[in-house]
Amino acid sequence: GENVEQHPSTLSVQEGDSAVIKCTYSDSASNYFPWYKQELGKGPQLIIDIRSNVGEKKDQRIAVTLNKTAKHFSLHITETQPEDSAVYFCAGTPDSGGGADGLTFGKGTHLIIQP
Amino acid sequence: ETGVTQTPRHLVMGMTNKKSLKCEQHLGHNAMYWYKQSAKKPLELMFVYNFKEQTENNSVPSRFSPECPNSSHLFLHLHTLQPEDSALYLCASSQDFANEQFFGPGTRLTVL
Repeated sequence: GENVEQHPSTLSVQEGDSAVIKCTYSDSASNYFPWYKQELGKGPQLIIDIRSNVGEKKDQRIAVTLNKTAKHFSLHITETQPEDSAVYFCAGTPDSGGGADGLTFGKGTHLIIQP
Repeated sequence: ETGVTQTPRHLVMGMTNKKSLKCEQHLGHNAMYWYKQSAKKPLELMFVYNFKEQTENNSVPSRFSPECPNSSHLFLHLHTLQPEDSALYLCASSQDFANEQFFGPGTRLTVL
């Protein structure tokens, strides 16, 4: 099955700086990679996702890059703000078009934005 | 809100109790999921339902029993749990397996 590794487990950055979180995956069949943000007392919420036919995707201050050859993908947050403080999870899954694999998650990164 | 609700939000139970967690999605999705979130561990997929049919059971102990009476509701029946089962239990739904999963707020379960 799929195995997703995520680093770092904790990341502290100054407000306004950029933050980068990295994930690797093991299953070459995986082709859907979402990123979730989880705030205290809430369930994870999707912030951006990427499919394997795309190398990069951007949405305002958030971007995700994917390197299929190396089997790794990264989340980039620019101009960080206090409200970006949360736990971020990467995930991967094969897009089996009717399969039932669910998502395999990384262990999460606790992002702390220092004022 | 995500359109996925879970009740109760918090639950404390003894090892001999029987309780149920409820999840409801108002999004018209076809697939529903139960995940377990423990401290310092990745979210673990427990069960998957597609059109009310269970399609995945990731070696979950039989003390956890899912039920999906229709595509909008999902239950997790609990009995004779162990303290190590204490965790946040998250429900999610998606239109199909290839699209975004929407998570509920979770039920914080404590087993004494």
